[in-house]
Amino acid sequence: DAGITQSPRHKVTETGTPVTLRCHQTENHRYMYWYRQDPGHGLRLIHYSYGVKDTDKGEVSDGYSVSRSKTEDFLLTLESATSSQTSVYFCAIRQDRDRDTQYFGPGTRLTVL
Amino acid sequence: KNQVEQSPQSLIILEGKNCTLQCNYTVSPFSNLRWYKQDTGRGPVSLTIMTFSENTKSNGRYTATLDADTKQSSLHITASQLSDSASYICVVITGANNLFFGTGTRLTVIP
Repeated sequence: DAGITQSPRHKVTETGTPVTLRCHQTENHRYMYWYRQDPGHGLRLIHYSYGVKDTDKGEVSDGYSVSRSKTEDFLLTLESATSSQTSVYFCAIRQDRDRDTQYFGPGTRLTVL
Repeated sequence: KNQVEQSPQSLIILEGKNCTLQCNYTVSPFSNLRWYKQDTGRGPVSLTIMTFSENTKSNGRYTATLDADTKQSSLHITASQLSDSASYICVVITGANNLFFGTGTRLTVIP
């Protein structure tokens, strides 16, 4: 998994509660990404980061925020979780020397009841 | 509209048999195309990358082809093994490094 860990790996929460997912990398890559994966959809980009405190929105960013205060950590926050945010969330990194390849973490399965 | 479509959605084959997965895309401008393998409960892992000028590329028992004129790619798996059971995802990348993911083909190899 290219030195990428995600925590938690599984979480069940209730509608309206805040949730934060963490992505941690050990290799100091600049680019980090958050995706969600749902049945019938390809992976969809939520947010990405191109450096500390540098982030931008992806295709499905509504209801999500991100923060990157350190190179190694990229946090995804659901301010008020909804059932439509039940999904599997993947973090990915892009190596600086190979801009065409993304390496994915193991995923976080989030269930919002 | 930029789209990546894969077929079939799912496939069951006997161990030792060959199979071919298809990917059609309308993404533009095209830079390259990747096939990823995703085991159940894991993140996707890159299998192979195809650039505009490449027609065929092999990675062990996996062979990817690309026809940039018809915007089609295929992934051929020979002598399938139980460990090939996974989802296979086609990803098309633009010149601006935007990624467009297909929904994947779920392959099940049975003994």
